[in-house]
Amino acid sequence: QQQVKQSPQSLIVQKGGISIINCAYENTAFDYFPWYQQFPGKGPALLIAIRPDVSEKKEGRFTISFNKSAKQFSLHIMDSQPGDSATYFCAASIGSGGSNYKLTFGKGTLLTVNP
Amino acid sequence: DGGITQSPKYLFRKEGQNVTLSCEQNLNHDAMYWYRQDPGQGLRLIYYSQIVNDFQKGDIAEGYSVSREKKESFPLTVTSAQKNPTAFYLCASSMIGQGNTDTQYFGPGTRLTVL
Repeated sequence: QQQVKQSPQSLIVQKGGISIINCAYENTAFDYFPWYQQFPGKGPALLIAIRPDVSEKKEGRFTISFNKSAKQFSLHIMDSQPGDSATYFCAASIGSGGSNYKLTFGKGTLLTVNP
Repeated sequence: DGGITQSPKYLFRKEGQNVTLSCEQNLNHDAMYWYRQDPGQGLRLIYYSQIVNDFQKGDIAEGYSVSREKKESFPLTVTSAQKNPTAFYLCASSMIGQGNTDTQYFGPGTRLTVL
């Protein structure tokens, strides 16, 4: 059973455009939602994260929008650049501040930004 | 220079052989994790450890074993019982119990190929 569903699988955007990646989760106990960026042959790196007490978080060109009632969250990349071309993973976990730190990942979105 | 190191970067193994992947961190993190990444599958948790001499199975532990004798080290052994071991293996670590500690930091990965 896939607990975090990510879409689309792949995305092509022109330079300067907006990239949008969506994730939906099933488990209402999830309380931490990070996004990771991965370049080929490298380990994922944390990009931005959100907790359910806020509906939006922005860091530079990257914004997470969170809809608790719909159990959905999305990543928006404004003014997309060729250097943003990478695979993006959403994830979710339960138990911040507690004893369970297991992250459940979506299957990833391959973003290509054309110059 | 703090971080997570994994070795080797590339590993080739003959069928029927056990092989051990190394993961070391100097971030003073309590928790360490092993993930497996296959194309189009996202990251799947193999094992995790929150304290020395203790570890728990993740979602796909069959055919793998781990040890946690030191806080800094969390080696993963891929045994001959693992039916499809060819994959990209990622090690991660995180702090526990201090506010915003859910962030997992990843190593550069080891690509294992079974010949």
